[in-house]
Amino acid sequence: ILNVEQSPQSLHVQEGDSTNFTCSFPSSNFYALHWYRWETAKSPEALFVMTLNGDEKKKGRISATLNTKEGYSYLYIKGSQPEDSATYLCASSGNTGKLIFGQGTTLQVKP
Amino acid sequence: DVKVTQSSRYLVKRTGEKVFLECVQDMDHENMFWYRQDPGLGLRLIYFSYDVKMKEKGDIPEGYSVSREKKERFSLILESASTNQTSMYLCASSLYGGSDTQYFGPGTRLTVL
Repeated sequence: ILNVEQSPQSLHVQEGDSTNFTCSFPSSNFYALHWYRWETAKSPEALFVMTLNGDEKKKGRISATLNTKEGYSYLYIKGSQPEDSATYLCASSGNTGKLIFGQGTTLQVKP
Repeated sequence: DVKVTQSSRYLVKRTGEKVFLECVQDMDHENMFWYRQDPGLGLRLIYFSYDVKMKEKGDIPEGYSVSREKKERFSLILESASTNQTSMYLCASSLYGGSDTQYFGPGTRLTVL
């Protein structure tokens, strides 16, 4: 994988559903994996930064895991709420000092 | 809290105009970045800066230049705006290198007619 890829591109769920997205990234020269949440009309907001293989981070109902050997990260949202509706971006950094972003997963949670 | 501000939320310019997008951060961050975001393409890095008067090309620098005369301010310049530069432009800053958390401004939606 040469680029950072996210799937699915968009997702519609009902309030209360749990959901997850995938981020695939180049496993060579890996340094850190970032997750951001970008709500409409707001600035992208950092959720997690993970560096170690097997890392798991949690913030409220949102959690993320990291597998650096195979080059993927999962973001989980438990019991989705309408306020979780946003675009979720992941970004990988190698040793270049730059973040490479995926195209994002847009989540819509229906009440 | 880190605050990154951008000079305009919405901007409409004509083809051939010189356009300045300003970004200011208030947390004494070393690094600043300019991205553009287009549907289906994610954030793409235009230019970044590690220090005052230092700049590095990102992935799509063509048609753009930058200026960083003061630590807190990073300007993106479109020398001669073209319609394919219609986009959402986001500025970000971080304390350390690109692997550090980046803090984003609210974005400027630029339309070039």
